[in-house]
Amino acid sequence: AQKVTQAQTEISVVEKEDVTLDCVYETRDTTYYLFWYKQPPSGELVFLIRRNSFDEQNEISGRYSWNFQKSTSSFNFTITASQVVDSAVYFCALANSNSGYALNFGKGTSLLVTP
Amino acid sequence: DAGVIQSPRHEVTEMGQEVTLRCKPISGHDYLFWYRQTMMRGLELLIYFNNNVPIDDSGMPEDRFSAKMPNASFSTLKIQPSEPRDSAVYFCASSSRTALNYGYTFGSGTRLTVV
Repeated sequence: AQKVTQAQTEISVVEKEDVTLDCVYETRDTTYYLFWYKQPPSGELVFLIRRNSFDEQNEISGRYSWNFQKSTSSFNFTITASQVVDSAVYFCALANSNSGYALNFGKGTSLLVTP
Repeated sequence: DAGVIQSPRHEVTEMGQEVTLRCKPISGHDYLFWYRQTMMRGLELLIYFNNNVPIDDSGMPEDRFSAKMPNASFSTLKIQPSEPRDSAVYFCASSSRTALNYGYTFGSGTRLTVV
């Protein structure tokens, strides 16, 4: 069975603060893929990143960074110097070949960045 | 590339009526997924296809729901008869093994309201 837990339902920060969104996953598979998606108020789902289970290298993309730790089954997402445009719901998801790579989403974390 | 195209964007229907949602995946993608998003249940996988063949429909809530993919460029999700609890946003997504690095491309969704 696969499960993705995003324990933080809502987070509110003031612009320019750093914020970390937590994601913990469960899977019995040794090969799997982890994703983050952003859903802005307009409603579309925007792909942010994919990580393979065999690649624990952290990644940075501008103000975004991701920390993948297999030892704790976590794939956390940090936004540095948050901006109002970062306000959205962020979803962590898990996929593997056994499920046809179908995404198993967490419940999402709603991030509100205020000026 | 126009991305994944869903129609209609919004649908309001009366309870008991048949509803058909449509999806055109990205050309060359051999996986197609239908998801439903509600506040209570988050993003749920309903069904997915590989090479136009339904692989896993265990997420389809009940017999009132059916999905088809008659060819590689078109899929439908039908609800008959519709009920108020079917009100949700329905997303279609497509991908392929080679496109996996770039995540799954989601359509803009269809917001269904059953009154």
